[in-house]
Amino acid sequence: QLVLTQSPSASASLGASVKLTCTLSSGHSSYAIAWHQQQPEKGPRYLMKLNSDGSHSKGDGIPDRFSGSSSGAERYLTISSLQSEDEADYYCQTWGTGILVFGGGTKLTVL
Amino acid sequence: QVQLVESGGGVVQPGGSLRLSCAASGFTFSSYGMHWVRQAPGKGLEWVAFIRYDGSNKYYADSVKGRFTISRDNSKNTLYLQMNSLRAEDTAVYYCAVPLRSMLWGQGTLVTVSS
Repeated sequence: QLVLTQSPSASASLGASVKLTCTLSSGHSSYAIAWHQQQPEKGPRYLMKLNSDGSHSKGDGIPDRFSGSSSGAERYLTISSLQSEDEADYYCQTWGTGILVFGGGTKLTVL
Repeated sequence: QVQLVESGGGVVQPGGSLRLSCAASGFTFSSYGMHWVRQAPGKGLEWVAFIRYDGSNKYYADSVKGRFTISRDNSKNTLYLQMNSLRAEDTAVYYCAVPLRSMLWGQGTLVTVSS
């Protein structure tokens, strides 16, 4: 079964960097994923598509502070130079036949 | 301007029905499959349904199969979600989304199922 696992929460200080993790279920380590950001009281916003080789393509207007990387079944979202507006929920998502699968989301707190 | 605008949300009693709409603009609607995704209060994102660009194939989450129907009118650039036999657990913000070069999301419409 295709499942994405995310830690429920993360925190980091203003100006620091943070690395969020999304883990693909066994047998699905070659899958690409997408990262989405959801700021408080807003709809989701697409950040990037991240391939198994670590290559990624960001959405329009996404700052260079956001980057992605991969290792095995792990997919990472790194945010550098954290700003207050980065405090949000971050969801990873992948694709099945005709369906989308979401991780449970990580709530990022900027201290 | 490329955008999706949902409408049709509201308060409905358990067992009732509601039809959501998603108006698309700024891209060739008839060339893209479309998704509905929902988010219950305080919860994460849950995929609901997908329809291919021409309506030829439709997919549903198990939680809504047999109760919800996704459809589209390419002449009106509009996506629909007919929701029947609504339950309290269907209470959520419903988003439409389209996988363009990047995923485009609408702003969402709130559905509340309550007596």
